[in-house]
Amino acid sequence: QKEVEQDPGPLSVPEGAIVSLNCTYSNSAFQYFMWYRQYSRKGPELLMYTYSSGNKEDGRFTAQVDKSSKYISLFIRDSQPSDSATYLCAMMGQGAQKLVFGQGTRLTINP
Amino acid sequence: DTAVSQTPKYLVTQMGNDKSIKCEQNLGHDTMYWYKQDSKKFLKIMFSYNNKELIINETVPNRFSPKSPDKAHLNLHINSLELGDSAVYFCASSKMASGGETQYFGPGTRLLVL
Repeated sequence: QKEVEQDPGPLSVPEGAIVSLNCTYSNSAFQYFMWYRQYSRKGPELLMYTYSSGNKEDGRFTAQVDKSSKYISLFIRDSQPSDSATYLCAMMGQGAQKLVFGQGTRLTINP
Repeated sequence: DTAVSQTPKYLVTQMGNDKSIKCEQNLGHDTMYWYKQDSKKFLKIMFSYNNKELIINETVPNRFSPKSPDKAHLNLHINSLELGDSAVYFCASSKMASGGETQYFGPGTRLLVL
């Protein structure tokens, strides 16, 4: 079993829809939770960052962490075609030096 | 100005050859990384250097040898290339190794071994 599980999709939704992306993990030591966005033929770039549990909102994006369930989510409101990309969750333990990535979910927003 | 740059962008080579990929960051970061992304988009760390010192060395064949001449550069040399080495290799950097620091990725080097 992988340390971080993420449904690879693909996920295709119409423009304007609310998108929900999720990851589960098995390592209870993870404290830092991130979402990276990767456009086709580009490197990943940090989209959202959360420390420990809770929610974080940035514009149309909301990241949620539920440590009791070992489950993290990324919500995208009013999705746009420009949001079409692969979304990778990533996690790291306190004092750890290694970022562990999920497989990535490929998302397409259809105009 | 590109923060993390890699050369070459594309590399097509024959099985058995030796090749190198170069990475440079101009962010003043102390830590640099090499990742491999397979065809299913799974991104896996290979190596990490902090201040030119190797701190992460995952289970990678010893045909792969990283080298950090200084804090701003991290190169990857691959000997006796195999078909299974075909992937996209990403270099990344962060301010420091731990503490959940944001990692900044380069554009990737697409390696195809024939």
